[in-house]
Amino acid sequence: DVKVTQSSRYLVKRTGEKVFLECVQDMDHENMFWYRQDPGLGLRLIYFSYDVKMKEKGDIPEGYSVSREKKERFSLILESASTNQTSMYLCASRPGPAPYTFGSGTRLTVV
Amino acid sequence: GQQVMQIPQYQHVQEGEDFTTYCNSSTTLSNIQWYKQRPGGHPVFLIQLVKSGEVKKQKRLTFQFGEAKKNSSLHITATQTTDVGTYFCAGRGGATNKLIFGTGTLLAVQP
Repeated sequence: DVKVTQSSRYLVKRTGEKVFLECVQDMDHENMFWYRQDPGLGLRLIYFSYDVKMKEKGDIPEGYSVSREKKERFSLILESASTNQTSMYLCASRPGPAPYTFGSGTRLTVV
Repeated sequence: GQQVMQIPQYQHVQEGEDFTTYCNSSTTLSNIQWYKQRPGGHPVFLIQLVKSGEVKKQKRLTFQFGEAKKNSSLHITATQTTDVGTYFCAGRGGATNKLIFGTGTLLAVQP
């Protein structure tokens, strides 16, 4: 089975801090994605990547950046965390057009 | 832009009752996927529908893709407590052919 591992299950950070969320997949998938999930809003795409060193903005990229230096790792960066970035963050990967495999999620609280 | 709406947002049923969630897209979809997220968990892929009018079954779950490929439904017969969770549809289509998630339907099943 494909495993998508997110480094932290729960995270509490202070406003203004730089936050790194890490995601690693073990199946050599080209495509990786970062979503945030909020009640009543579903899953919203922040950034995605189709290859190493390649990134594209999703629907809500403001306040975020990403890094993909290696194929298996896709990092989400909150440059200066704000309280409105308190959310569940989900990483996903897939080979080609196949369905997603999601990680377990990181629940981030910004205080 | 493309939107995928799901109704209802929340449904509470008695164990043994049937349940249906509906997904509607503002644009024609090339395919639609369904995911289930258990409480505290992450979305897990259930099924993908591709053809107009397609119907697929997984035990007590029946998935339909509309003739116009703009809507879909998931029907659960005789719900069980193990069915609790949030069900998301995700449609691919529009000019960008991106996968857009619906807002999800939270199902609660009372024993």
